[in-house]
Amino acid sequence: EAQVTQNPRYLITVTGKKLTVTCSQNMNHEYMSWYRQDPGLGLRQIYYSMNVEVTDKGDVPEGYKVSRKEKRNFPLILESPSPNQTSLYFCASSLDLGQGSPLHFGNGTRLTVT
Amino acid sequence: AQKITQTQPGMFVQEKEAVTLDCTYDTSDPSYGLFWYKQPSSGEMIFLIYQGSYDQQNATEGRYSLNFQKARKSANLVISASQLGDSAMYFCAMREPFNSGGYQKVTFGTGTKLQVIP
Repeated sequence: EAQVTQNPRYLITVTGKKLTVTCSQNMNHEYMSWYRQDPGLGLRQIYYSMNVEVTDKGDVPEGYKVSRKEKRNFPLILESPSPNQTSLYFCASSLDLGQGSPLHFGNGTRLTVT
Repeated sequence: AQKITQTQPGMFVQEKEAVTLDCTYDTSDPSYGLFWYKQPSSGEMIFLIYQGSYDQQNATEGRYSLNFQKARKSANLVISASQLGDSAMYFCAMREPFNSGGYQKVTFGTGTKLQVIP
């Protein structure tokens, strides 16, 4: 089944403890992106990647890192999480960088930082 | 300025009635794509419909249609014959060029929560 898989679905951690949220897609998509969803703010783009080894900042990149060493994987790394990073995170991918290429989303990761 | 504006935080509609969810956008680029996504209470994001900036006709997908008014920079979603399963958050999004090399920038609105009343 074609899908974007994120893990874990739920994560509770403490301030400062490094964590990684994994994202993998099996559709050979070129483009991958991370979003955070907060009430009243919609989805905001954190980072995106146009292809292997090509990543760029979105609108809210502070406190996050990403890497794209393989086409299928795009992990999100929080080196030193803080409570303001408590949010619902989505990984998404699209076939290419086309104007009409829709995003396919993972099921989300709900992160709580205490 | 907001790239995507959804002014209706919440809406109610009677089952079997039609409903329009508003979306306005802001871009100086002539080429862009507009999308609507549905997020049920279970949390997943579901792609509904797409409209390209150069498309002459409004997009339709089953009970969903997109009322595209380019001069007004609006891309409203119309759901006909609402069903209880349509109760969800709905997000408008725009895909536009950024720097060079494709439509990397995908921006979402803040969403509209639709509740369908039996």
